[in-house]
Amino acid sequence: EAGVTQFPSHSVIEKGQTVTLRCDPISGHDNLYWYRRVMGKEIKFLLHFVKESKQDESGMPNNRFLAERTGGTYSTLKVQPAELEDSGVYFCASSHQTSGRYYEQYFGPGTRLTVT
Amino acid sequence: LAKTTQPISMDSYEGQEVNITCSHNNIATNDYITWYQQFPSQGPRFIIQGYKTKVTNEVASLFIPADRKSSTLSLPRVSLSDTAVYYCLVSGNTGKLIFGQGTTLQVKP
Repeated sequence: EAGVTQFPSHSVIEKGQTVTLRCDPISGHDNLYWYRRVMGKEIKFLLHFVKESKQDESGMPNNRFLAERTGGTYSTLKVQPAELEDSGVYFCASSHQTSGRYYEQYFGPGTRLTVT
Repeated sequence: LAKTTQPISMDSYEGQEVNITCSHNNIATNDYITWYQQFPSQGPRFIIQGYKTKVTNEVASLFIPADRKSSTLSLPRVSLSDTAVYYCLVSGNTGKLIFGQGTTLQVKP
């Protein structure tokens, strides 16, 4: 079974540019999550999709971040325009859900974003 | 979501048993206790999850006392490859995971 994949693995962009990160969850997982770790900080939750719907986007830092999950399969996270403080590692995770209980989340390897 | 407290770092030697204790005094009735492991340049990896008493799998054991205000992750006979950061998380029915600083375990030869 393929795990969670993320693309690209690394991205270096200049301040003000746009970057789109992609996450492919494990097939059949309805739940998809985005997290990020900025330098020296803890891993922070960004948002949670259930299929194509945003269940919880309380962790999105501001309106420069836009997440989508068209068709309930893969997801993209766009940062526009990127700022220096957006640098960090962006993780995607997926899980399945049964009877209201959320099971373990499977994480991807992350995308390291560097904004210069 | 309940906050967790765990040691920042621990050292051990190959072949020893390692126990990492986590405090979660404000755990709610519907919260589960979950432990993740993270190696450098990788995403966190699920190790074990429990609600009460003891849970064991092929990787670790999780001990949870009756009051559930703490939990202990036990790694039997660690090897160098167990050097990683270990996170204790408490999560309910929201799906969102709240990560703390974790415990950096260094296994020495």
